Amino acid sequence: EPEVTQTPSHQVTQMGQEVILRCVPISNHLYFYWYRQILGQKVEFLVSFYNNEISEKSEIFDDQFSVERPDGSNFTLKIRSTKLEDSAMYFCASSSQDRILSNQPQHFGDGTRLSIL
Amino acid sequence: AQSVTQLGSHVSVSEGALVLLRCNYSSSVPPYLFWYVQYPNQGLQLLLKYTTGATLVKGINGFEAEFKKSETSFHLTKPSAHMSDAAEYFCAVGTGNQFYFGTGTSLTVIP
Repeated sequence: EPEVTQTPSHQVTQMGQEVILRCVPISNHLYFYWYRQILGQKVEFLVSFYNNEISEKSEIFDDQFSVERPDGSNFTLKIRSTKLEDSAMYFCASSSQDRILSNQPQHFGDGTRLSIL
Repeated sequence: AQSVTQLGSHVSVSEGALVLLRCNYSSSVPPYLFWYVQYPNQGLQLLLKYTTGATLVKGINGFEAEFKKSETSFHLTKPSAHMSDAAEYFCAVGTGNQFYFGTGTSLTVIP
């Protein structure tokens, strides 16, 4: 069964540095998402992406964050200047249709654990 | 505003016993409701979802949930717990353009 893959599984970065988290969604999916889960807290929606543009974003997704689909397979999340509070598990997800309205589920990757030092 | 409350951050049940994980939501519009499971070091996997129609929804691994509008609840149940059910369970609500997760319930199954 096709799956969403995320790399790296663990990223350690110095505060203030830029970090790029990479995701390869399922190949025929059209909608892409990033979520964040701070240790011990709930999963939080960051951003959704469709047709090469952001379709919606939460208040967490400020100017420090950006997303990109640089080619036909990758979907990346960039944090421009990392802060300590960016330490979290970041999940990528994809779906063939809109995540809320469709009968098709979102498929999640296993996550990238980002540790900011 | 929408929100999700999961009562009980940790639930322990004996193997073979009933599993009941509670979820209440608040929403100003008819919600879509979801349960996800997260096994250690893995991503989120959809267990089941309610959008419209029958209020009792059956999902994978023998789980089911019932949407009760009058109680604003969407509790997750399974008649008989297996050891493999030990995981973190998240309830989520989606309305319009927003999607919110609860804080999660960690399920422990005791042999």
